[in-house]
Amino acid sequence: DVKVTQSSRYLVKRTGEKVFLECVQDMDHENMFWYRQDPGLGLRLIYFSYDVKMKEKGDIPEGYSVSREKKERFSLILESASTNQTSMYLCATQFSWTYEKLFFGSGTQLSVL
Amino acid sequence: GENVEQHPSTLSVQEGDSAVIKCTYSDSASNYFPWYKQELGKGPQLIIDIRSNVGEKKDQRIAVTLNKTAKHFSLHITETQPEDSAVYFCAASKLPGGGADGLTFGKGTHLIIQP
Repeated sequence: DVKVTQSSRYLVKRTGEKVFLECVQDMDHENMFWYRQDPGLGLRLIYFSYDVKMKEKGDIPEGYSVSREKKERFSLILESASTNQTSMYLCATQFSWTYEKLFFGSGTQLSVL
Repeated sequence: GENVEQHPSTLSVQEGDSAVIKCTYSDSASNYFPWYKQELGKGPQLIIDIRSNVGEKKDQRIAVTLNKTAKHFSLHITETQPEDSAVYFCAASKLPGGGADGLTFGKGTHLIIQP
């Protein structure tokens, strides 16, 4: 089975801090995604990457950046965390564009105080 | 872009009864419609999907139906069991798996199975 590991289950940060959320996959998948999940709003795509060092903006990229230096690792960066970035963050992977299934990690619940 | 509406937001059914969750989409070019199940404390998992050239697909107790003309699709769960309690998300995309545009998700349905 594919394993998608997110570094922290819960994270508490202060406003203005730089925050790194890490995601690691063990199945050599080409595509990796960061979603944000908020009650009543569902899952919204922040950024995705289809190859090392490649990245594309999703629907809500403002206030975020990403890094993919190695194929197995995809990082989400909050340059200056704000309270409206308090949310559940989900990482997902996909073997390739021709393979439909997304594999999700368990999520990181980030609270910005 | 695509917009996916999902109803109801909460659904409570008696164990053993059937549950139906409905979604509508806006982009007639969408061709791929997956359903994900999210259990408490876990990430979403794909449970069933359907492509636009198929009207219905079944997998044991779950089925998905698609009406391309009306632009809506539904998830049907029969003989519900306690382990069916979860949040269910529908999604739509032009390409299988999302492609460069990604999947557009509905807002989710919290399904509660009453004993």
